[in-house]
Amino acid sequence: DTAVSQTPKYLVTQMGNDKSIKCEQNLGHDTMYWYKQDSKKFLKIMFSYNNKELIINETVPNRFSPKSPDKAHLNLHINSLELGDSAVYFCASSLAGTTKNIQYFGAGTRLSVL
Amino acid sequence: DQQVKQNSPSLSVQEGRISILNCDYTNSMFDYFLWYKKYPAEGPTFLISISSIKDKNEDGRFTVFLNKSAKHLSLHIVPSQPGDSAVYFCAAISNNAGNMLTFGGGTRLMVKP
Repeated sequence: DTAVSQTPKYLVTQMGNDKSIKCEQNLGHDTMYWYKQDSKKFLKIMFSYNNKELIINETVPNRFSPKSPDKAHLNLHINSLELGDSAVYFCASSLAGTTKNIQYFGAGTRLSVL
Repeated sequence: DQQVKQNSPSLSVQEGRISILNCDYTNSMFDYFLWYKKYPAEGPTFLISISSIKDKNEDGRFTVFLNKSAKHLSLHIVPSQPGDSAVYFCAAISNNAGNMLTFGGGTRLMVKP
């Protein structure tokens, strides 16, 4: 019973396309996140979102946008894909007010832009 | 500018011995630190954490030490087991950054039987 699930697991696409990655959590958490792990294996926060506030890492291009239809979902939309967007993207979630910010991660989506 | 650094990309230890993974940080606003463990093709999983008001936290075979003056923390695993072989990420939270994690680059631990 997967707690944080991402789809698809692999995504191969052409430059210039628009794509989405879906994330769902069944933990009852109220905050969700997107991270990017680049070719050097660094994990970097992209967004933090709860039903009140979206926090954006200032280094994230505005081609990336999170969309949350409800508390259990935070999808990542990417417009005009570029070669440098190739990476593994991780979704995570946490519950505010609990032991400080233990985040639970999905298994990742490997995006390859050709 | 990396605010959390793990200077050893890899570490190899013998089963049963102690593994020590190190992490340094530069941002004095960090007030909570976590270690995550990651297996291939999986997401990071939480291992252990420590608040900046403490200098040690222990959970079974895992102990995290924090030296605030040196801006250094370490994870000790004793005794090490082959199943501990994974990539370990140090992470930190700033009290004014929306609880977002800043990760180090990771250390690959290999525990040999």
